[in-house]
Amino acid sequence: AIRMTQSPSSLSASTGDRVTITCRASQGISSYLAWYQQKPGKAPKLLIYAASTLQSGVPSRFSGSGSGTDFTLTISCLQSEDFATYYCQQYYSYPYSFGQGTKLEIK
Amino acid sequence: QVQLVQSGAEVKKPGSSVKVSCKASGGTFSSYAISWVRQAPGQGLEWMGGIIPIFGTANYAQKFQGRVTITADESTSTAYMELSSLRSEDTAVYYCARGVIVVVGGNLYYYYMDVWGKGTTVTVSS
Repeated sequence: AIRMTQSPSSLSASTGDRVTITCRASQGISSYLAWYQQKPGKAPKLLIYAASTLQSGVPSRFSGSGSGTDFTLTISCLQSEDFATYYCQQYYSYPYSFGQGTKLEIK
Repeated sequence: QVQLVQSGAEVKKPGSSVKVSCKASGGTFSSYAISWVRQAPGQGLEWMGGIIPIFGTANYAQKFQGRVTITADESTSTAYMELSSLRSEDTAVYYCARGVIVVVGGNLYYYYMDVWGKGTTVTVSS
């Protein structure tokens, strides 16, 4: 099974900051990677798929990059509504797997 | 805009089974996949398995193999997840999610999850 490791596990930042979250796969997954945002008590929301393709309706301050084993999610100018937990997920091979999550908190 | 409507919360005894439904409202899922993901209290997301209804066969995470069954009824656009031999560690919110299928080389299928249900809370307690 492919293991997904995110870093950091938690992150404190201020509105207006640029933040980057990293996701590493234990083996190559090409570009079959998605990023999700989850707020407390809510279902996850798809932000990015195919490593770098922005889902319709998602603000352009979100961007993704990478391929193979190393990926990043960048939020260019944090807004108050961006404070949430973020998960990466590989869909290259079964069983699909998620990273452990990165909790983005207000500094 | 399609929505996934899940069945209501369940309270189960250890050793029993639970069956959660997920109905596509405002659309169908015949050309999509359906995944089931769970989240224990305060924990991360865990993929349990998924099915591509037009093929009918499901894939499961090894952890749940033998205890979980995922099915789909295309006629009613409803998917089901049944988990048996429940234990307290199965207490979680269970989500269904629609998978957008990517076909590569004519015979390789991948899918990412673009629409999620609101979740069904399953509590296992004696």
